[in-house]
Amino acid sequence: DAKTTQPTSMDCAEGRAANLPCNHSTISGNEYVYWYRQIHSQGPQYIIHGLKNNETNEMASLIITEDRKSSTLILPHATLRDTAVYYCIVTYSWGKLQFGAGTQVVVTP
Amino acid sequence: EAGVAQSPRYKIIEKRQSVAFWCNPISGHATLYWYQQILGQGPKLLIQFQNNGVVDDSQLPKDRFSAERLKGVDSTLKIQPAKLEDSAVYLCASNSPDRSYKNIQYFGAGTRLSVL
Repeated sequence: DAKTTQPTSMDCAEGRAANLPCNHSTISGNEYVYWYRQIHSQGPQYIIHGLKNNETNEMASLIITEDRKSSTLILPHATLRDTAVYYCIVTYSWGKLQFGAGTQVVVTP
Repeated sequence: EAGVAQSPRYKIIEKRQSVAFWCNPISGHATLYWYQQILGQGPKLLIQFQNNGVVDDSQLPKDRFSAERLKGVDSTLKIQPAKLEDSAVYLCASNSPDRSYKNIQYFGAGTRLSVL
């Protein structure tokens, strides 16, 4: 499975968009990009995933570059409850979820 | 729908003692996972069940860890004997065969184990 690189931490102002980058330069053609987040003292929570096309759901948007070597998770209007560790994972649809250290996002008032 | 249930939430034991964790997945979910999360790290898969059969236990330290899912529903993870380095949060997750191709897993809140 391809590895990912994420910033260690990010701050975001409440009400503003949070843009979380992820590099995955060794991604293969059939590997998906998954995003999960983990709020303190809770288990990870699925956010969104995509293969090639940009995706949007009620939680976030996922923008994948045309060469698929990087992606950005967008939280359109960050709230204090979005403070969490965000994990970008690249794997096949049948593959394991291999979590890295993720990005600690802190949303401030 | 009810989420993944885990118990206990917290457990403190001394090294060389044994401990067991319980997980009840979401109803109808055939696939069940156990993860270990050490402080400051992401979760690491220990074992994956499909119904009551083991799909992947390559990362399970089998000399001390064991897991079972006898009736294909709830599952138990056991550590015997515990070591200091087993201090971690143990997470259980499940997903439906209908959605497994999307690799969307639902996690419980975990059991925080402290080994003294």
